[in-house]
Amino acid sequence: DGGITQSPKYLFRKEGQNVTLSCEQNLNHDAMYWYRQDPGQGLRLIYYSQIVNDFQKGDIAEGYSVSREKKESFPLTVTSAQKNPTAFYLCASTWDRGNTEAFFGQGTRLTVV
Amino acid sequence: GESVGLHLPTLSVQEGDNSIINCAYSNSASDYFIWYKQESGKGPQFIIDIRSNMDKRQGQRVTVLLNKTVKHLSLQIAATQPGDSAVYFCAENRNQAGTALIFGKGTTLSVSS
Repeated sequence: DGGITQSPKYLFRKEGQNVTLSCEQNLNHDAMYWYRQDPGQGLRLIYYSQIVNDFQKGDIAEGYSVSREKKESFPLTVTSAQKNPTAFYLCASTWDRGNTEAFFGQGTRLTVV
Repeated sequence: GESVGLHLPTLSVQEGDNSIINCAYSNSASDYFIWYKQESGKGPQFIIDIRSNMDKRQGQRVTVLLNKTVKHLSLQIAATQPGDSAVYFCAENRNQAGTALIFGKGTTLSVSS
């Protein structure tokens, strides 16, 4: 079945550590996105990539980094520079530049302990 | 700044009633809009979309209305069921190179039996 997979579902991190969240899709989508969701809030865009080896910052990119070495994969690294990293992270993909439906993964809940 | 917003953070209805969830957007250049449903701890699921060359689009039990004059979007759910209880988000795409879907804050729909 085609879809978008995020792993792990739950992740705990100690303060000062970097952590990488995985996002893989087998939909052959060109564009991939990372969003952050805080309790009771909407989705805020962190980074997005419309083609392999290219990505752009979203509204809240500080403290995060990404790579897009393969079309299928768009990992997100939460660095120690992110001051409040505890949140629900969602990865999505679309056929092209976002002018079509975005398919979402099931999310990764990151908790800093 | 430009944003997608919803009028009410919560909406409570009785089972069988019709629900209307509203959304206001500010960017007149946006030409594609989507409604998503998000259940607790899960990724958003696509409900229905509409392009700016349309005023209305219907799906199964759902209708989306677009009023470009006042930049208003609404989602109507007919015969609301307990399974419809979730957070509903509207999202817009601004049809510009290098953009992504922008989400509103969401409306929590509670359906009581």
